[in-house]
Amino acid sequence: DIQMTQSPSSLSASVGDRVTITCRTSQSIGNNLNWYQQKPGNAPKLLIYVASSLRSGVPSRFSGSRSGTDFTLTISSLQPEDFATYYCQQAYNTPYTFGQGTNLEI
Amino acid sequence: QVQLQESGPGLVKPSETLSLTCTVSGGSISTYYWSWIRQPPGKGLEWIGYINYSGTTNYNPSLKSRVTISVDMSKNHFSLKLRSVTAADTAVYYCARDVYCPNSICRDYYFDYWGQGALVTVSS
Repeated sequence: DIQMTQSPSSLSASVGDRVTITCRTSQSIGNNLNWYQQKPGNAPKLLIYVASSLRSGVPSRFSGSRSGTDFTLTISSLQPEDFATYYCQQAYNTPYTFGQGTNLEI
Repeated sequence: QVQLQESGPGLVKPSETLSLTCTVSGGSISTYYWSWIRQPPGKGLEWIGYINYSGTTNYNPSLKSRVTISVDMSKNHFSLKLRSVTAADTAVYYCARDVYCPNSICRDYYFDYWGQGALVTVSS
C-alpha cells in the first residue's frame, strides 16, 4: 500500500492567515493526489484533484501543488468557514489511501 | 445534481453481517465506479472497495476476506456486505462516486459525490 504522511496533524490559525498542509507519499504517484475538506458531522468534500486542479465552485483561495512526492494544500487567506479537517488521498493505485488528516482550528 | 443516500441497520451484533445500500439519484450508475469508504468515530478515512456498472470489483486487501460489493442497475443502487463484524468495524460508512470510465477509458480518479454517511455500531 502507498503510505501517506500528512502534516501537521493539527494547526491553529486565524482568519486572514495563509496556511499550508503537506502530504508526502511513500512512492511516486505522479499527480494522482486529491484533497478533501470535512466538517464535523458531514461527509468529506472534494477541493483539489490531480494535485492542483480546483474543483468547480471551490473558492480560489484554495490551491494545490506538487514537488516530487510532496504535495501541498495552501489556503491563501483563511475564512471562518475554512476551519475543518483536511485529508489528502492518493488515486494512483488501489487500495486508495488517505492521509491521517489535519485539523485546522481557530 | 447527483445525490447518494446510504440506508441500512444502524446496529449490528458481533459476528453478524453488516449490510448497507447506496441509492444514486440525479444520474445513472453506468460509466462510473462506485466506492464504499468508512470512518471510525474520531478517526480517519479508510477505502473499503469499489464496483462498476458491469460488476467488476476491487477490495482493500485488509478487508477483502469479509467484503462483498454488488450493484443493481435496475434500481440504480449498489450495496455493501461486511461479514463477521467486530467492534472495530463500528464506523460511519460512506458511499461515493469514483472513477469515470466512458468507452472503457477511465479518468477522473477522485471521489466527487458522497452520501451523507451511515453510522453503524457493532454491539450486542
